[in-house]
Amino acid sequence: TQLLEQSPQFLSIQEGENLTVYCNSSSVFSSLQWYRQEPGEGPVLLVTVVTGGEVKKLKRLTFQFGDARKDSSLHITAAQPGDTGLYLCAAMNYGGSQGNLIFGKGTKLSVKP
Amino acid sequence: DAGVIQSPRHEVTEMGQEVTLRCKPISGHDYLFWYRQTMMRGLELLIYFNNNVPIDDSGMPEDRFSAKMPNASFSTLKIQPSEPRDSAVYFCASTSGSSGGAGTGELFFGEGSRLTVL
Repeated sequence: TQLLEQSPQFLSIQEGENLTVYCNSSSVFSSLQWYRQEPGEGPVLLVTVVTGGEVKKLKRLTFQFGDARKDSSLHITAAQPGDTGLYLCAAMNYGGSQGNLIFGKGTKLSVKP
Repeated sequence: DAGVIQSPRHEVTEMGQEVTLRCKPISGHDYLFWYRQTMMRGLELLIYFNNNVPIDDSGMPEDRFSAKMPNASFSTLKIQPSEPRDSAVYFCASTSGSSGGAGTGELFFGEGSRLTVL
């Protein structure tokens, strides 16, 4: 069974701090997605990375796909309370169909003002 | 545009009762997914449909769970009889198979149905 390990599981920081969360696997993936889920809502896509070594930026969020396509990181600069939520990574293995999207358990981020 | 619509938002029922969760996907999307989310297990895929046809139901935990998609705009997930361990948030999601190719398309989730079985 392919697994996506996310770390840390929980993270509580003060507004203005920087942070990095990780998504790791022993499997190679064709693409990887990051979602954010706020309480009482469904996950919402932030970004999709496809190429090994790819870096994408979304305002204060920087996403990186590992060279070997087995891992990814999400870095947030100057975190704000609005960044609070559950960050989920999801990955598609090679040759997989839409249904082969595997989700990690997520990193629950709390940013205190 | 309306997103994925799920009902009910909250359901509290007693063990042994039948539970039916409903989903209306985004118009034009040809894939529909049912997920279950718990603290312990995270987000688990239960079943998914393509063009109203069930493709993979290997995630359905037991015969007590069944899902149907009678048309492109409606799907149900039924639990009969329900048990306390079924308590979770159930999400429906949809996407278009042509949106990204090779499965890179964005999943659009509903707000979920929180089920509590006493």
